Amino acid sequence: AQSVAQPEDQVNVAEGNPLTVKCTYSVSGNPYLFWYVQYPNRGLQFLLKYITGDNLVKGSYGFEAEFNKSQTSFHLKKPSALVSDSALYFCAVAPAGGGNKLTFGTGTQLKVEL
Amino acid sequence: NAGVTQTPKFRILKIGQSMTLQCAQDMNHNYMYWYRQDPGMGLKLIYYSVGAGITDKGEVPNGYNVSRSTTEDFPLRLELAAPSQTSVYFCASSYSKGQGAGANVLTFGAGSRLTVL
Repeated sequence: AQSVAQPEDQVNVAEGNPLTVKCTYSVSGNPYLFWYVQYPNRGLQFLLKYITGDNLVKGSYGFEAEFNKSQTSFHLKKPSALVSDSALYFCAVAPAGGGNKLTFGTGTQLKVEL
Repeated sequence: NAGVTQTPKFRILKIGQSMTLQCAQDMNHNYMYWYRQDPGMGLKLIYYSVGAGITDKGEVPNGYNVSRSTTEDFPLRLELAAPSQTSVYFCASSYSKGQGAGANVLTFGAGSRLTVL
């Protein structure tokens, strides 16, 4: 069975500083990996995905993520955080070929302060 | 193009009542899903569908039923509501073909908040 771990319930960052939201996964075979963001009282919105190819994936709003197969990680990063990035972030995984049946992590609350 | 539309946005039920959460998408997506979100628990898949007439159980299907008579609609039925079904429910859709930018990406509705008292 596939699973995702987001070890931090909350991450606090000062505006302008780089941010990292951590994610590790477990899946049989090659993974499909995703990051979604949720703003208060809204549905989840897609940020970026890794299917195959370059290990560094760029997504919406300046976010990027690095796929590391040896460490089974897919950490979300942004070089310079904005207050408007404050939201709940979810990592998700599916096995290659089963990319539509996602397993989500428990979410990490990102708080960016002035 | 409305995306994924869920109704109602809020509902309070009494224990034992039944109701249907409606979900419709206008993107011609073949896959549709129902998730529930509980605080600190992430999203759990209740049911999903790979096309009209085909549905399958997810991780937490007990107490729920679904149908998919058309590509556009995927209603979720709660029978005999229980307090454990108090949650926020999200419908989502996606298409599966190829490896293009949109493939395998879920589009979510705004959610339906259900309270069972």
